[in-house]
Amino acid sequence: QQKVQQSPESLIVPEGAMTSLNCTFSDSASQYFAWYRQHSGKAPKALMSIFSNGEKEEGRFTIHLNKASLHFSLHIRDSQPSDSALYLCAVSRSGGSNYKLTFGKGTLLTVTP
Amino acid sequence: GGIITQTPKFLIGQEGQKLTLKCQQNFNHDTMYWYRQDSGKGLRLIYYSITENDLQKGDLSEGYDASREKKSSFSLTVTSAQKNEMAVFLCASSIGGGETLYFGSGTRLTVL
Repeated sequence: QQKVQQSPESLIVPEGAMTSLNCTFSDSASQYFAWYRQHSGKAPKALMSIFSNGEKEEGRFTIHLNKASLHFSLHIRDSQPSDSALYLCAVSRSGGSNYKLTFGKGTLLTVTP
Repeated sequence: GGIITQTPKFLIGQEGQKLTLKCQQNFNHDTMYWYRQDSGKGLRLIYYSITENDLQKGDLSEGYDASREKKSSFSLTVTSAQKNEMAVFLCASSIGGGETLYFGSGTRLTVL
């Protein structure tokens, strides 16, 4: 069974800082990697996803994937108070079971003004 | 854009009671999901459905039933509510596998 671990559990950063969130997974056959963000009391919402090794940038957000290390990360440049939320990483395999997206426990990010 | 509507937002039941949670989506997505979110435990998959009348068990299906009679709706039944399953239940939909999930705001279950 896929195991997905996130670190750190919580993080406090000042406004304007670079924030780095980490996710490790156990299944080397994983093909789809995503980050979701959940503001308090709201629905989780997809931020970014990646399929192949390397880096993908969208605005202030960058996702890095290293399949050999079973690790991917999310970096937030110029962090804003509105970025304060629970960040969930998610992983799925390819093939017939790729409907089963496995989530980590989340990293609670607080950005202080 | 579309929306996922979960009802009720808050559900209070007695231990041993059968309780039903409902979810509607207007994205016209084929796949729908039920996840459970416990504090400190992330999201765990209970059931998913690839198409109308299809049901697939997730990692946490014991103690739950699901029903997908229409493409737009997916319901979850807690067969016998227990105090240790107080959590937020999240419904989601996607176009298909390996695609972005769109979530509803959740149903918070309290068991007395």
